Amino acid sequence: SQTIHQWPATLVQPVGSPLSLECTVEGTSNPNLYWYRQAAGRGLQLLFYSVGIGQISSEVPQNLSASRPQDRQFILSSKKLLLSDSGFYLCAWSSGQSYQPQHFGDGTRLSIL
Amino acid sequence: AQSVSQHNHHVILSEAASLELGCNYSYGGTVNLFWYVQYPGQHLQLLLKYFSGDPLVKGIKGFEAEFIKSKFSFNLRKPSVQWSDTAEYFCAVIPSGSARQLTFGSGTQLTVLP
Repeated sequence: SQTIHQWPATLVQPVGSPLSLECTVEGTSNPNLYWYRQAAGRGLQLLFYSVGIGQISSEVPQNLSASRPQDRQFILSSKKLLLSDSGFYLCAWSSGQSYQPQHFGDGTRLSIL
Repeated sequence: AQSVSQHNHHVILSEAASLELGCNYSYGGTVNLFWYVQYPGQHLQLLLKYFSGDPLVKGIKGFEAEFIKSKFSFNLRKPSVQWSDTAEYFCAVIPSGSARQLTFGSGTQLTVLP
C-alpha cells in the first residue's frame, strides 16, 4: 500500500533562517505531489505541485520554493524565513487523475520566532 | 478558476442528531467532488468522493453526500452523529481532467456533544 511521510512534525525557526521540509511517498511511482498551507478558518491553499522530477509549478508568489530531486521526494524550502511563513504545511500525493483523491501527510507545524 | 463555499464555520450538535453540512462550488464545467475529514491530531482523510454516475454518494462511517448539479451543491449528511464525529470537514472540488486544481473550502468544525 502507498504511504506518505512528512517531517519534521514541528519546527521552530528564527526569522531569516533557512527552511527545508521533506516529503516522501512509498508504494507508488510517478505520483503527482503537492505542498499546501493550512490556515485556521481558511482551508488549504495550494503552494506548489509537481507532475514529475524537476517539474515544479507555483500557485502563489511567496518566499518559498519547492524541488523534486527524485520521483517520490518533494522538498519545500526557503532561504530566509519570514514571520508570515508560520503555519501548518501539508504534503499530498495523487495518482494524477482528477477523480482520484489526494492523500495527505501528517503535516508540519512551523513556528517562526 | 473554481471556488468552494462552506457556509457553516462551526456546527454544534448533540449525539444522535442529524447532520447536514453545506458545500457550494462555482465552476462552469464538469467537476469531481470530495469531502475530507480531519480528526483532532490526525491527518486529512478522504470521507467520500463523486466523479460520475449516481449523485448520491456513500462514504465511510455512515456519511453520504448528494451532488445536485443544478444547485452546484455537494452537501454532506449523516442521519445520526456520534461524539467520535467531532472533527473538521472540508469540501473540495477539481475540474474533471485536471490533477492540479483541487480547491478546498474553508472547512466546518463539527462538535458533537455527548
